[in-house]
Amino acid sequence: AIQMTQSPSSLSASVGDRVTITCRASQGIRNDLGWYQQKPGKAPKLLIYAASILQSGVPSRFSGSGSGTDFTLTISSLQPEDFATYYCLHDYNYPASFGQGTKVEIK
Amino acid sequence: EVQLVESGGGLVQPGGSLRLSCAASGLTVSDNYMSWVRQAPGKGLEWVSIIYSGGTTFYADSVKGRFTISRHNSENTLYLQMNNLTPEDTAVYYCARDLRSGRKDYWGQGTRVTVSS
Repeated sequence: AIQMTQSPSSLSASVGDRVTITCRASQGIRNDLGWYQQKPGKAPKLLIYAASILQSGVPSRFSGSGSGTDFTLTISSLQPEDFATYYCLHDYNYPASFGQGTKVEIK
Repeated sequence: EVQLVESGGGLVQPGGSLRLSCAASGLTVSDNYMSWVRQAPGKGLEWVSIIYSGGTTFYADSVKGRFTISRHNSENTLYLQMNNLTPEDTAVYYCARDLRSGRKDYWGQGTRVTVSS
């Protein structure tokens, strides 16, 4: 099974900061990767799919990049509503798997 | 408007069974790939299972042989039959529409399963 290693596991940042989260796949997954935001008690929300395509309705400050094994989620200017936990997900093959999550906290 | 509504969660003893339901409106379950994802208390997301529109199914290793994903076309409902439950299956279970390439775009609100004696 393909393992997704996400880093960091947590970070502290201020409003307006640029934030970068990375995911590394244990083998190549083309661009079969999505990024999700989850707030406490809520279902995950899709932000990015196919590694770099912004889901409809998601603010343009979110962007994704990468292909193969290394992927990045960038928030260009962190907003108060962005404090949450973020997950990557691959579904290149099955079993699919999520990264361990990155909790973005207020500095 | 698409809505997915899970139900069927609850408290069950180890070794017991539960069937979760995901009732869909605004989309046709049988025309879509549909997935189950779970989240144990205080833990991250875990992919559980997928059913293709053509009926092909896949499972996480942790549930293979114990869980079965299915659907009822006329009721437009997705199911997850869970047998031989263990405390490690305690989690909130979510259903989602799955468009592949990491794209699960619609999610239900989740249903909580607790396995405990």
